[in-house]
Amino acid sequence: GAVVSQHPSRVICKSGTSVKIECRSLDFQATTMFWYRQFPKQSLMLMATSNEGSKATYEQGVEKDKFLINHASLTLSTLTVTSAHPEDSSFYICSARDPRGGWETQYFGPGTRLLVL
Amino acid sequence: SQKIEQNSEALNIQEGKTATLTCNYTNYSPAYLQWYRQDPGRGPVFLLLIRENEKEKRKERLKVTFDTTLKQSLFHITASQPADSATYLCALAIGGSQGNLIFGKGTKLSVKP
Repeated sequence: GAVVSQHPSRVICKSGTSVKIECRSLDFQATTMFWYRQFPKQSLMLMATSNEGSKATYEQGVEKDKFLINHASLTLSTLTVTSAHPEDSSFYICSARDPRGGWETQYFGPGTRLLVL
Repeated sequence: SQKIEQNSEALNIQEGKTATLTCNYTNYSPAYLQWYRQDPGRGPVFLLLIRENEKEKRKERLKVTFDTTLKQSLFHITASQPADSATYLCALAIGGSQGNLIFGKGTKLSVKP
């Protein structure tokens, strides 16, 4: 199937700093990418939908000024957690649709573990 | 309120047996439903998709059923193996053509040798 990568796989930062997470579709072009957050033993929660060349659509309750999303190309979307706090510590996962395989299927990246001290 | 429930947080079975996982939902009319596998510290991996007009889907040792009247999907793994041990997530597609996915919490399956 299609391959989606994320970088970094894990990051530890100090409270108040900003962290950028990259999501890349390696063998296909993704006009739409999704960012999820998953807390331990909880379900994946959709944070935002990232559309190439336009502003991201955020889910209710997700602060767009805190979680900055940029989808500058058809293979790259970035999520920046600004002024991170310990409560932002979580597992962040991106996904993308591969238009070759039908629009329903999302391919997920391996996730980024963020720990804010 | 809208809910997706996976029958149990954990399921332990013996190797060779059939594992059956349940996904129930309320207040949704999903266009399709998907099952994913998630290993610890990894992103979900797509397994199967079943549409609202389909009753059953199979892929190798996997079988999924979808009952829109009961608002329930069953996920079966036949001849289970220790390598099948993982967390299995069901996800509903809502929101029309955008098809945003809503995930259940998952069921952690452990297959003992």
